Amino acid sequence: EPEVTQTPSHQVTQMGQEVILRCVPISNHLYFYWYRQILGQKVEFLVSFYNNEISEKSEIFDDQFSVERPDGSNFTLKIRSTKLEDSAMYFCASKRDRDYEQYFGPGTRLTVT
Amino acid sequence: KNEVEQSPQNLTAQEGEFITINCSYSVGISALHWLQQHPGGGIVSLFMLSSGKKKHGRLIATINIQEKHSSLHITASHPRDSAVYICAVRRAGTDKLIFGTGTRLQVFP
Repeated sequence: EPEVTQTPSHQVTQMGQEVILRCVPISNHLYFYWYRQILGQKVEFLVSFYNNEISEKSEIFDDQFSVERPDGSNFTLKIRSTKLEDSAMYFCASKRDRDYEQYFGPGTRLTVT
Repeated sequence: KNEVEQSPQNLTAQEGEFITINCSYSVGISALHWLQQHPGGGIVSLFMLSSGKKKHGRLIATINIQEKHSSLHITASHPRDSAVYICAVRRAGTDKLIFGTGTRLQVFP
């Protein structure tokens, strides 16, 4: 069964460094998402992406964040200058069309020291 | 106040028991999702519904749009059902999911 994959599974970085989290959505899916979950807290929406552009973003998704679908298969989340409070699990998700279920990746645990 | 509230926060059960987890929301929605999160962190979609009832194996999800309430039922619970169950709603007119805080379920043999 097709699945969403994410790499790396765990990333440790120093404050101020740039990180890129990578996702490979399911191949015939058209809608892509990033979420984050700070340890012990609920999952939060970051951004949705459709037709090669951001369709919605949350207040969390400020100028330090960007997303890209560089090659038609990967979907990346970049954090330009990481802060301690960016430490969280980041989930990618995709869905085939607007009213379909989302499929989540296994997550990337980001630790900022 | 949270836009999506779940109850209970924690639930323990003996194997074989019937489980109910509740979700109430305060915004207009176009769909409601039930998700399962295992201790390793991965999230699996169980149901997406916008009306009525859906069943998959031992899991049943219902939604009452007028009352802004949904329930997830697990029949004949099993230790492998132990996980965090999360309710999330898609706000009407958007594609943004708003998540509840989750219900941690532990089923003992």
